[in-house]
Amino acid sequence: DQQVKQNSPSLSVQEGRISILNCDYTNSMFDYFLWYKKYPAEGPTFLISISSIKDKNEDGRFTVFLNKSAKHLSLHIVPSQPGDSAVYFCAASGSSGTYKYIFGTGTRLKVLA
Amino acid sequence: DTGVSQNPRHKITKRGQNVTFRCDPISEHNRLYWYRQTLGQGPEFLTYFQNEAQLEKSRLLSDRFSAERPKGSFSTLEIQRTEQGDSAMYLCASRTGGNQETQYFGPGTRLLVL
Repeated sequence: DQQVKQNSPSLSVQEGRISILNCDYTNSMFDYFLWYKKYPAEGPTFLISISSIKDKNEDGRFTVFLNKSAKHLSLHIVPSQPGDSAVYFCAASGSSGTYKYIFGTGTRLKVLA
Repeated sequence: DTGVSQNPRHKITKRGQNVTFRCDPISEHNRLYWYRQTLGQGPEFLTYFQNEAQLEKSRLLSDRFSAERPKGSFSTLEIQRTEQGDSAMYLCASRTGGNQETQYFGPGTRLLVL
């Protein structure tokens, strides 16, 4: 049972354009969501998070949008840069217990120069 | 600022051997997690420590797996009688207490069982 889904395994975007990565979840108990970036042979690096009390959070070139009714979140990267090329994972957590993360399967972003 | 460190970074072993990995969390973090990532998948939760207490173990953590955090600082993950299916990246993450604090990941230990 995949509670967090990233349905696009890969995405290619031209440098300077917007990258939009999508994530869907099924568990309505999730209330904290994060995006991580991962390079090969390295651990995930935290990018940005959003609590369920918000619908948008911005940090520089990165913006995360949360649509609770649709159980959908997205990560926007503007403008995209070649250094953004990596695998992006979304993760979700509930508000009690261990706060363990449930991850999606990742989207490989390639930013073309 | 020292991040999460993991050792070794790579381990190759033969089927049936025991292996042990170490994780050193960020010093003020009292919560520690182990995850496993296989090819094409996202990280999957294995186990969780709050200080030295192991409070949750995933069903993925078979009897051959054991994790400890004896003094509430570093943690070890041991796999006994390794199998080829244990080949994966083992990731450690830590965070402070509090409800929605971000987990910070180490670089991982890549295990290959031949």
